[in-house]
Amino acid sequence: DQQVKQNSPSLSVQEGRISILNCDYTNSMFDYFLWYKKYPAEGPTFLISISSIKDKNEDGRFTVFLNKSAKHLSLHIVPSQPGDSAVYFCAAGVSGSARQLTFGSGTQLTVLP
Amino acid sequence: DAGVIQSPRHEVTEMGQEVTLRCKPISGHNSLFWYRQTMMRGLELLIYFNNNVPIDDSGMPEDRFSAKMPNASFSTLKIQPSEPRDSAVYFCASSQLRPGDTQYFGPGTRLTVL
Repeated sequence: DQQVKQNSPSLSVQEGRISILNCDYTNSMFDYFLWYKKYPAEGPTFLISISSIKDKNEDGRFTVFLNKSAKHLSLHIVPSQPGDSAVYFCAAGVSGSARQLTFGSGTQLTVLP
Repeated sequence: DAGVIQSPRHEVTEMGQEVTLRCKPISGHNSLFWYRQTMMRGLELLIYFNNNVPIDDSGMPEDRFSAKMPNASFSTLKIQPSEPRDSAVYFCASSQLRPGDTQYFGPGTRLTVL
């Protein structure tokens, strides 16, 4: 039972354009969400997070949107750069628990120069 | 800080052999997580510890897998006996038990079981 789903295994975007990565979840107990970026031969690194009390969080070129009613979140990267090419993992957790995260299967983003 | 340290970075072994993966969490972090990444299943949580105590090992695939955390600065994940289907990248991550804190991942160990 996949509680966090990333239905697009890959995405290609032209440099300078917007990249939109999507994530859906089924567990209504999740109240915080994170995006991680992973380069080959490295561990995932934290990118941005959002609490369920917000619907948007922005950090430079990265913005995460949360739609609780749809149980959907998205990561927008504007403008996309070739260095953004990586696998992006969506993760969700329940605050106040033991901090366990559930990860999606990842989306490979390729930004074309 | 050096970040989460994992060893070895690569391990190639033969079916039936024992494999031990090692992890040193970030100093001061009191939660430690072991994950496995495969093409089919993405990132799966195997087990996690809070203050050196295993909290949830429901993700451990079977009895061949075991994990220990004898102290706050060291953990091991052991597979005995190993099988080809155990081939994957194994990540260790650590975090603090603080609201809003994130997990910091090590570089991973790529395991190949022939």
